[in-house]
Amino acid sequence: QVQLQESGPGHVKPSETLSLTCTVSGGSIKSPDYYWGWIRQPPGKGLEWIGTVHYRGSTYYNPSLKNRVTLYIDTSKNQFSLKVSSVTAADTAVYYCARGEVVAAAGTSWFDPWGQGTLVLVSA
Amino acid sequence: DIQMTQSPSSLSASVGDRVTINCHASQDISNYLNWYQQKPGKAPSLLIYDISNLKTGVPSRFSGSGSGTDFTLTISSLQPEDIATYYCQQFDNLPLTFGGGTKVQIK
Repeated sequence: QVQLQESGPGHVKPSETLSLTCTVSGGSIKSPDYYWGWIRQPPGKGLEWIGTVHYRGSTYYNPSLKNRVTLYIDTSKNQFSLKVSSVTAADTAVYYCARGEVVAAAGTSWFDPWGQGTLVLVSA
Repeated sequence: DIQMTQSPSSLSASVGDRVTINCHASQDISNYLNWYQQKPGKAPSLLIYDISNLKTGVPSRFSGSGSGTDFTLTISSLQPEDIATYYCQQFDNLPLTFGGGTKVQIK
């Protein structure tokens, strides 16, 4: 059974770069059948898709984050990572990593399973 | 971007009641619609994919229907463990977008 676990700093200062890693266990990240994605949820609010990566290198990003986001995948460690640059208080959220299935148009999917999430607070 | 609008934003019902949650897409998304359940303090969990396909292990009291722009999640007999916020999500087009959520409480 595949499990995902987010890790990274819980606090980032404004204008700095937020970096998180998702470790996948119980399955290989090198499967052609799956995407690996990030979704965030500001406190008390709804869900926002950040981006998705495939182990072959394809990446898909939410334009709302205006080129501040980069996704990486490390198949040797069975991990994928997220970087968000120039953060502001608006980037304060619980960040979830999740697995998507390659089923439809490029980059599109449902997400299952999800990691437990990690809260990142952006403040001085 | 495709906007997903859920209604109501919250509801209160009694145990055993039939509960219906609506999700409207700003354009035709065919059958590319999923539903998630998020219990308090937990990560979201996939309930239904492709409009009406229950994820393995999800109780049969949950069902999904709809097509095009209007979709419905139904809980046929509300149980105490169903207390959660429910989100719809479209995957017809990038960016992937979610509805604002419907919080379900017990009366």
